[in-house]
Amino acid sequence: NAGVTQTPKFQVLKTGQSMTLQCAQDMNHNSMYWYRQDPGMGLRLIYYSASEGTTDKGEVPNGYNVSRLNKREFSLRLESAAPSQTSVYFCASIKRRVRVGETQYFGPGTRLLVL
Amino acid sequence: DQQVKQNSPSLSVQEGRISILNCDYTNSMFDYFLWYKKYPAEGPTFLISISSIKDKNEDGRFTVFLNKSAKHLSLHIVPSQPGDSAVYFCAASSSGGYQKVTFGTGTKLQVIP
Repeated sequence: NAGVTQTPKFQVLKTGQSMTLQCAQDMNHNSMYWYRQDPGMGLRLIYYSASEGTTDKGEVPNGYNVSRLNKREFSLRLESAAPSQTSVYFCASIKRRVRVGETQYFGPGTRLLVL
Repeated sequence: DQQVKQNSPSLSVQEGRISILNCDYTNSMFDYFLWYKKYPAEGPTFLISISSIKDKNEDGRFTVFLNKSAKHLSLHIVPSQPGDSAVYFCAASSSGGYQKVTFGTGTKLQVIP
Protein backbone atom coordinates (compact mmCIF):
# COMPACT_ATOMS: atom_id res chain seq x y z
CA ASN A 1 0.00 0.00 0.00
CA ALA A 2 2.01 2.98 -1.29
CA GLY A 3 -0.60 5.67 -0.54
CA VAL A 4 -0.17 8.65 -2.86
CA THR A 5 2.77 8.61 -5.25
CA GLN A 6 4.04 11.43 -7.44
CA THR A 7 6.48 11.50 -10.33
CA PRO A 8 8.89 13.04 -10.96
CA LYS A 9 10.37 14.14 -7.63
CA PHE A 10 12.27 17.02 -9.18
CA GLN A 11 12.22 18.67 -12.60
CA VAL A 12 13.95 21.62 -14.26
CA LEU A 13 12.22 23.20 -17.24
CA LYS A 14 13.00 26.07 -19.54
CA THR A 15 10.36 28.74 -20.07
CA GLY A 16 7.88 27.59 -22.68
CA GLN A 17 8.49 23.88 -22.25
CA SER A 18 5.65 21.57 -21.32
CA MET A 19 5.45 18.73 -18.87
CA THR A 20 2.98 16.51 -17.03
CA LEU A 21 3.13 15.77 -13.33
CA GLN A 22 1.79 12.34 -12.49
CA CYS A 23 -0.12 11.31 -9.38
CA ALA A 24 -1.56 7.96 -8.40
CA GLN A 25 -3.28 6.63 -5.28
CA ASP A 26 -4.00 3.05 -4.29
CA MET A 27 -6.50 3.72 -1.52
CA ASN A 28 -9.63 3.59 -3.70
CA HIS A 29 -10.28 7.25 -2.99
CA ASN A 30 -12.85 9.17 -4.98
CA SER A 31 -11.52 12.71 -4.69
CA MET A 32 -8.10 13.92 -5.77
CA TYR A 33 -6.40 17.32 -5.63
CA TRP A 34 -3.43 19.28 -6.92
CA TYR A 35 -1.89 21.99 -4.73
CA ARG A 36 1.12 24.21 -5.07
CA GLN A 37 3.18 25.42 -2.14
CA ASP A 38 5.10 28.67 -2.34
CA PRO A 39 7.05 30.45 0.43
CA GLY A 40 4.73 32.56 2.55
CA MET A 41 1.65 31.38 0.63
CA GLY A 42 0.80 28.06 2.20
CA LEU A 43 -0.83 25.45 -0.02
CA ARG A 44 -3.10 26.73 -2.75
CA LEU A 45 -5.54 24.54 -4.64
CA ILE A 46 -4.96 24.38 -8.40
CA TYR A 47 -7.56 21.80 -9.49
CA TYR A 48 -9.51 19.02 -7.91
CA SER A 49 -11.53 16.04 -9.02
CA ALA A 50 -14.47 15.01 -6.86
CA SER A 51 -14.88 11.74 -8.74
CA GLU A 52 -13.65 9.93 -11.81
CA GLY A 53 -14.58 11.90 -14.90
CA THR A 54 -15.04 15.26 -13.18
CA THR A 55 -12.59 18.10 -12.60
CA ASP A 56 -13.02 21.61 -11.21
CA LYS A 57 -10.87 24.69 -10.86
CA GLY A 58 -9.40 25.72 -7.54
CA GLU A 59 -7.87 29.03 -6.49
CA VAL A 60 -5.00 29.21 -8.99
CA PRO A 61 -5.86 27.21 -12.16
CA ASN A 62 -4.38 29.54 -14.79
CA GLY A 63 -1.57 27.93 -16.80
CA TYR A 64 -2.55 24.38 -15.82
CA ASN A 65 -4.71 21.58 -17.13
CA VAL A 66 -5.67 18.33 -15.46
CA SER A 67 -6.84 14.89 -16.43
CA ARG A 68 -8.56 12.35 -14.19
CA LEU A 69 -7.43 9.38 -16.21
CA ASN A 70 -9.19 6.83 -14.01
CA LYS A 71 -10.04 6.48 -10.35
CA ARG A 72 -6.37 6.01 -9.40
CA GLU A 73 -4.64 8.67 -11.46
CA PHE A 74 -4.84 12.46 -11.64
CA SER A 75 -2.29 14.30 -13.78
CA LEU A 76 -1.37 17.98 -13.92
CA ARG A 77 -0.08 19.47 -17.17
CA LEU A 78 1.83 22.66 -17.77
CA GLU A 79 1.46 23.47 -21.46
CA SER A 80 3.94 26.36 -21.56
CA ALA A 81 5.91 26.66 -18.33
CA ALA A 82 6.64 30.09 -16.85
CA PRO A 83 9.07 31.06 -14.06
CA SER A 84 6.02 31.93 -11.90
CA GLN A 85 5.19 28.22 -11.90
CA THR A 86 8.37 27.40 -10.00
CA SER A 87 6.96 25.74 -6.91
CA VAL A 88 6.49 22.52 -5.01
CA TYR A 89 3.45 20.61 -6.24
CA PHE A 90 1.50 18.25 -4.01
CA CYS A 91 -1.13 15.76 -5.00
CA ALA A 92 -3.67 14.62 -2.41
CA SER A 93 -6.60 12.26 -2.20
CA ILE A 94 -9.52 11.56 0.11
CA LYS A 95 -12.20 8.87 0.26
CA ARG A 96 -15.03 11.27 -0.44
CA ARG A 97 -14.93 14.66 1.21
CA VAL A 98 -13.29 16.49 4.04
CA ARG A 99 -15.37 15.79 7.14
CA VAL A 100 -15.05 14.22 10.57
CA GLY A 101 -13.39 10.85 10.26
CA GLU A 102 -11.89 11.47 6.86
CA THR A 103 -8.70 13.20 5.90
CA GLN A 104 -6.64 14.04 2.86
CA TYR A 105 -3.52 12.01 2.19
CA PHE A 106 -0.68 13.83 0.46
CA GLY A 107 2.05 12.65 -1.85
CA PRO A 108 5.70 13.55 -1.26
CA GLY A 109 5.65 16.43 -3.71
CA THR A 110 7.30 17.42 -7.00
CA ARG A 111 9.80 20.27 -6.94
CA LEU A 112 9.62 22.19 -10.19
CA LEU A 113 12.10 24.84 -11.28
CA VAL A 114 11.32 26.88 -14.39
CA LEU A 115 14.25 28.86 -15.76
CA ASP B 1 -7.77 37.35 0.13
CA GLN B 2 -6.28 35.08 2.79
CA GLN B 3 -9.25 33.40 4.45
CA VAL B 4 -7.09 31.37 6.82
CA LYS B 5 -4.25 33.23 8.49
CA GLN B 6 -1.32 32.09 10.56
CA ASN B 7 0.33 35.31 11.64
CA SER B 8 3.41 33.74 13.22
CA PRO B 9 5.77 32.39 10.57
CA SER B 10 7.94 30.75 13.20
CA LEU B 11 8.00 29.71 16.84
CA SER B 12 10.77 28.38 19.09
CA VAL B 13 10.00 26.42 22.23
CA GLN B 14 12.12 24.55 24.76
CA GLU B 15 11.67 20.79 24.93
CA GLY B 16 9.09 19.83 27.55
CA ARG B 17 7.27 23.18 27.42
CA ILE B 18 3.98 23.97 25.74
CA SER B 19 3.82 25.02 22.09
CA ILE B 20 0.84 27.15 21.08
CA LEU B 21 0.19 27.72 17.40
CA ASN B 22 -2.52 30.15 16.40
CA CYS B 23 -4.81 30.47 13.41
CA ASP B 24 -7.51 32.96 12.44
CA TYR B 25 -10.14 32.65 9.74
CA THR B 26 -12.49 35.10 8.09
CA ASN B 27 -15.04 32.92 6.29
CA SER B 28 -17.99 32.23 8.61
CA MET B 29 -19.04 29.32 6.38
CA PHE B 30 -16.08 27.26 7.56
CA ASP B 31 -17.32 24.53 9.89
CA TYR B 32 -14.48 22.02 9.97
CA PHE B 33 -10.90 22.81 10.87
CA LEU B 34 -7.73 20.78 10.56
CA TRP B 35 -4.08 20.93 11.46
CA TYR B 36 -1.42 19.35 9.27
CA LYS B 37 2.23 18.78 10.04
CA LYS B 38 4.90 18.91 7.39
CA TYR B 39 8.51 17.81 7.50
CA PRO B 40 11.00 19.02 4.86
CA ALA B 41 10.83 17.16 1.54
CA GLU B 42 7.64 15.36 2.58
CA GLY B 43 3.96 15.94 2.01
CA PRO B 44 1.74 17.29 4.80
CA THR B 45 0.24 14.73 7.16
CA PHE B 46 -3.00 15.10 9.06
CA LEU B 47 -2.58 15.81 12.75
CA ILE B 48 -5.89 16.70 14.38
CA SER B 49 -9.22 18.25 13.49
CA ILE B 50 -12.26 19.86 15.09
CA SER B 51 -15.82 20.36 14.01
CA SER B 52 -17.54 23.67 14.65
CA ILE B 53 -19.99 21.97 17.02
CA LYS B 54 -17.12 21.48 19.46
CA ASP B 55 -14.75 23.91 21.14
CA LYS B 56 -12.02 21.43 22.03
CA ASN B 57 -10.59 18.22 20.68
CA GLU B 58 -7.74 16.30 22.25
CA ASP B 59 -5.49 13.57 20.91
CA GLY B 60 -2.60 12.62 23.14
CA ARG B 61 -0.20 15.54 23.41
CA PHE B 62 -2.17 17.58 20.86
CA THR B 63 -5.23 19.69 21.64
CA VAL B 64 -7.07 22.00 19.31
CA PHE B 65 -9.28 24.78 20.66
CA LEU B 66 -11.90 26.58 18.61
CA ASN B 67 -13.39 29.98 19.44
CA LYS B 68 -16.11 30.51 16.87
CA SER B 69 -17.09 33.98 18.00
CA ALA B 70 -13.49 35.16 17.54
CA LYS B 71 -12.96 33.02 14.44
CA HIS B 72 -9.82 31.71 16.06
CA LEU B 73 -8.32 28.32 16.66
CA SER B 74 -5.17 27.18 18.34
CA LEU B 75 -3.09 24.03 18.54
CA HIS B 76 -1.46 23.16 21.86
CA ILE B 77 1.36 20.64 22.05
CA VAL B 78 2.22 19.49 25.56
CA PRO B 79 4.93 18.53 26.23
CA SER B 80 6.82 19.62 23.15
CA GLN B 81 9.42 17.22 21.79
CA PRO B 82 12.27 17.76 19.29
CA GLY B 83 10.47 15.48 16.83
CA ASP B 84 7.63 18.01 16.77
CA SER B 85 9.88 20.43 14.89
CA ALA B 86 8.09 20.93 11.58
CA VAL B 87 5.86 23.34 9.71
CA TYR B 88 2.26 23.30 10.92
CA PHE B 89 -0.57 24.27 8.60
CA CYS B 90 -4.01 25.27 9.77
CA ALA B 91 -6.78 24.47 7.28
CA ALA B 92 -10.52 24.95 7.04
CA SER B 93 -13.41 23.56 5.07
CA SER B 94 -17.14 24.17 4.77
CA SER B 95 -19.94 21.63 4.36
CA GLY B 96 -20.91 23.10 1.04
CA GLY B 97 -17.35 23.61 -0.14
CA TYR B 98 -17.18 20.87 -2.77
CA GLN B 99 -14.45 19.08 -0.84
CA LYS B 100 -12.17 22.09 -0.97
CA VAL B 101 -9.79 22.86 1.87
CA THR B 102 -8.29 26.30 2.43
CA PHE B 103 -4.85 26.32 4.01
CA GLY B 104 -3.03 28.91 6.07
CA THR B 105 0.53 29.97 5.34
CA GLY B 106 2.09 27.76 7.99
CA THR B 107 4.08 28.19 11.20
CA LYS B 108 7.53 26.68 11.50
CA LEU B 109 7.95 25.21 14.96
CA GLN B 110 11.40 24.55 16.37
CA VAL B 111 11.62 22.59 19.60
CA ILE B 112 14.99 23.14 21.22
CA PRO B 113 16.43 20.17 23.17
